Amino acid sequence: GNSVTQMEGPVTLSEEAFLTINCTYTATGYPSLFWYVQYPGEGLQLLLKATKADDKGSNKGFEATYRKETTSFHLEKGSVQVSDSAVYFCALRGTGGTSYGKLTFGQGTILTVHP
Amino acid sequence: DAGITQSPRYKITETGRQVTLMCHQTWSHSYMFWYRQDLGHGLRLIYYSAAADITDKGEVPDGYVVSRSKTENFPLTLESATRSQTSVYFCASRHTDEQFFGPGTRLTVL
Repeated sequence: GNSVTQMEGPVTLSEEAFLTINCTYTATGYPSLFWYVQYPGEGLQLLLKATKADDKGSNKGFEATYRKETTSFHLEKGSVQVSDSAVYFCALRGTGGTSYGKLTFGQGTILTVHP
Repeated sequence: DAGITQSPRYKITETGRQVTLMCHQTWSHSYMFWYRQDLGHGLRLIYYSAAADITDKGEVPDGYVVSRSKTENFPLTLESATRSQTSVYFCASRHTDEQFFGPGTRLTVL
């Protein structure tokens, strides 16, 4: 079955530091890949997505590239802000069959950014 | 308010009681989902629905029941709550590639 593995957290950074959160996946076919963000006390929000190999998703200064050869979708940001403190989830949506657009999530990575 | 609403936002109940968590969306999206969020597990799919009167099990359906008589509502019922069902529950709907999540219900079973 499909699975997503994220780097263990929590991650603590100083403001303006570079961020990488690793995500690798296992899936058959050609899944779509997503990063969701959850701010304290809220539901998840879509941050960015990529639907095919070598696509780069980007939003709010965050980027992730769909690497089929390494089955990875690592999240990066060049300069984090305190307001980026949140939980980040990598997810995939399988293709075909009875997937019904279901998402498979990683375990989440807690990011804390200090001033 | 447009979007997905969940009620209640917080609930404390006792073991063995029946509990229903409500989910309402204003967009008329066909697909809806229920997830539970637990530390170390991310979000796990409980049940999903492709349309009114069409529901199916997800990854962790045991102890839960869903119904969907109207497109906009997708309630989740715990028939006899257990301590292991203490969790944060999220409802979501899907439109094209994106899932839209409600604010969550924090359920504590004593």
